[in-house]
Amino acid sequence: KNQVEQSPQSLIILEGKNCTLQCNYTVSPFSNLRWYKQDTGRGPVSLTIMTFSENTKSNGRYTATLDADTKQSSLHITASQLSDSASYICVVSTFSGGYNKLIFGAGTRLAVHP
Amino acid sequence: EPEVTQTPSHQVTQMGQEVILRCVPISNHLYFYWYRQILGQKVEFLVSFYNNEISEKSEIFDDQFSVERPDGSNFTLKIRSTKLEDSAMYFCAEGTGTRMDTQYFGPGTRLTVL
Repeated sequence: KNQVEQSPQSLIILEGKNCTLQCNYTVSPFSNLRWYKQDTGRGPVSLTIMTFSENTKSNGRYTATLDADTKQSSLHITASQLSDSASYICVVSTFSGGYNKLIFGAGTRLAVHP
Repeated sequence: EPEVTQTPSHQVTQMGQEVILRCVPISNHLYFYWYRQILGQKVEFLVSFYNNEISEKSEIFDDQFSVERPDGSNFTLKIRSTKLEDSAMYFCAEGTGTRMDTQYFGPGTRLTVL
């Protein structure tokens, strides 16, 4: 069964600190891995998309890593800001029948405190 | 970043009633998706729609659900006879359908079935 597991479930950090969120997946066939940010009451917004051949990808203060051998990914947030408070969702895509099917993790809820 | 819009933002209905959720796409995307997120749970795929036809649907998307593009622009999700367990956030998304497709999500419609 295709699954995406994330840890921790929730995290509290102080403004300015760094943090790393984890994602493990068992999805086949694998197409790509995405990290989304979801603010409360809003739709997910894409942060990064990586194929199996990419080890790392950055988007500003967000850096995602991917180890396709161990089927693990991480999202590192540098110099956190209050606006980073949100849920971060790891999403793995399969590609069949000509379209992407996204499989979502449960998300890590991040709270950045002043 | 372009924004998909959804209406209404919140819909309250009685069990057994029909509801129609609407999505206004950004522009020239050809692939459309509906997802739902029950409070506190993962985002779940419902259906994908391409060229005015359903391309794939999940087991959640049973006979009480239907999708269409009634006027060639708006994209709707109809729930014929709502149940209590249909209470959730419903997100539409659109994209190009390619492997690296960044699916653009709308802000969601919160459906509450009483």
